Amino acid sequence: GAVVSQHPSRVICKSGTSVKIECRSLDFQATTMFWYRQFPKQSLMLMATSNEGSKATYEQGVEKDKFLINHASLTLSTLTVTSAHPEDSSFYICSATIGGKKNIQYFGAGTRLSVL
Amino acid sequence: AQSVTQLGSHVSVSEGALVLLRCNYSSSVPPYLFWYVQYPNQGLQLLLKYTSAATLVKGINGFEAEFKKSETSFHLTKPSAHMSDAAEYFCAVSDTDKLIFGTGTRLQVFP
Repeated sequence: GAVVSQHPSRVICKSGTSVKIECRSLDFQATTMFWYRQFPKQSLMLMATSNEGSKATYEQGVEKDKFLINHASLTLSTLTVTSAHPEDSSFYICSATIGGKKNIQYFGAGTRLSVL
Repeated sequence: AQSVTQLGSHVSVSEGALVLLRCNYSSSVPPYLFWYVQYPNQGLQLLLKYTSAATLVKGINGFEAEFKKSETSFHLTKPSAHMSDAAEYFCAVSDTDKLIFGTGTRLQVFP
């Protein structure tokens, strides 16, 4: 149980284009989803917390207009990197929680974004 | 604010040797503590968690960790390393509604 699917696993795009990453909870309803960014050989940095039906809460220093998050249903959250640039190249990972236990997170397999 | 410190960004052991990955935490309240493993180009998999019950926590793949309040530590151990244990390991502490991760320790296992 508690499987989180993330798609695509890898994406390469041209500078200036937008990229959408999907995060789905397959066998449970996720009231909260988290989006992380991981630079090579570094830890996970929380970008934003996404609650179903409400606006995402962004961490300090994360541009909300750059990283658009939509949590339209209890099983799907999307992260759109708008007007991507090479410095946005990174590994993006989502996670989801069940009920109110936000410290028990189930992680997706991640998306490797490469912006040329 | 809560935080975790992982001592040693790289640990190398021989197959069959003891694995010890260190994690120290800082928390003003009783913490929830976690160890996650990450294989290349993959997400994180929960190894084990401490949630104020037994101080010795057993996880998957033969790993265990002991919560020591006096030392503010939550070190991860495995009696005998296997080649498949080679990965990145992250210690994390739970804030009220988010996880705070350490910088990670890369474990290498040599035959």
